[in-house]
Amino acid sequence: GENVEQHPSTLSVQEGDSAVIKCTYSDSASNYFPWYKQELGKGPQLIIDIRSNVGEKKDQRIAVTLNKTAKHFSLHITETQPEDSAVYFCAETSGNYQLIWGAGTKLIIKP
Amino acid sequence: EPEVTQTPSHQVTQMGQEVILRCVPISNHLYFYWYRQILGQKVEFLVSFYNNEISEKSEIFDDQFSVERPDGSNFTLKIRSTKLEDSAMYFCASSAGPPGTGELFFGEGSRLTVL
Repeated sequence: GENVEQHPSTLSVQEGDSAVIKCTYSDSASNYFPWYKQELGKGPQLIIDIRSNVGEKKDQRIAVTLNKTAKHFSLHITETQPEDSAVYFCAETSGNYQLIWGAGTKLIIKP
Repeated sequence: EPEVTQTPSHQVTQMGQEVILRCVPISNHLYFYWYRQILGQKVEFLVSFYNNEISEKSEIFDDQFSVERPDGSNFTLKIRSTKLEDSAMYFCASSAGPPGTGELFFGEGSRLTVL
């Protein structure tokens, strides 16, 4: 069945360094790939998304890249700050169907 | 800024009891969802609701669960005969369009503890 693999499960980086989280998916029809950030005690919040007709999208310190051939997409956070500490979820869908979610990555920013 | 609101924030219930979790989606949204997250684990889809009917549901959403939009603003999740394993955070979400077209807006969640 459809599946999204997300790695790593935990990522610890020094403040100011970059963080990269990777996801792979299995459905070749997938065309929408959002990333959600979940802070402690809160619901997930969309931080960036990308569609299959684009290879890369950037929003300030956050970027997402998509490789449709290899079926993987990645979240890049540069110049990490303490407020970036959270759990990050990737997800994908092929259209009107529900999002398939990754298992999450706990990002820890060390001061 | 419009937001999804959920009540209660925390509910403790005895095994076998029924609970109702309530949500007020963003007012001009048309698609509504319930998700579940067991502590420290992934976000699990339960059900989506559009045009006053269930549009999609997961294997988790069995006969124990039901959803309703009773009055045009509230969106409720009813869990009958609760079990210990129903203990989780339940998130409501809404979106303006179908799931693959844009952002899902999540509420802050309702924590359900079944004793």
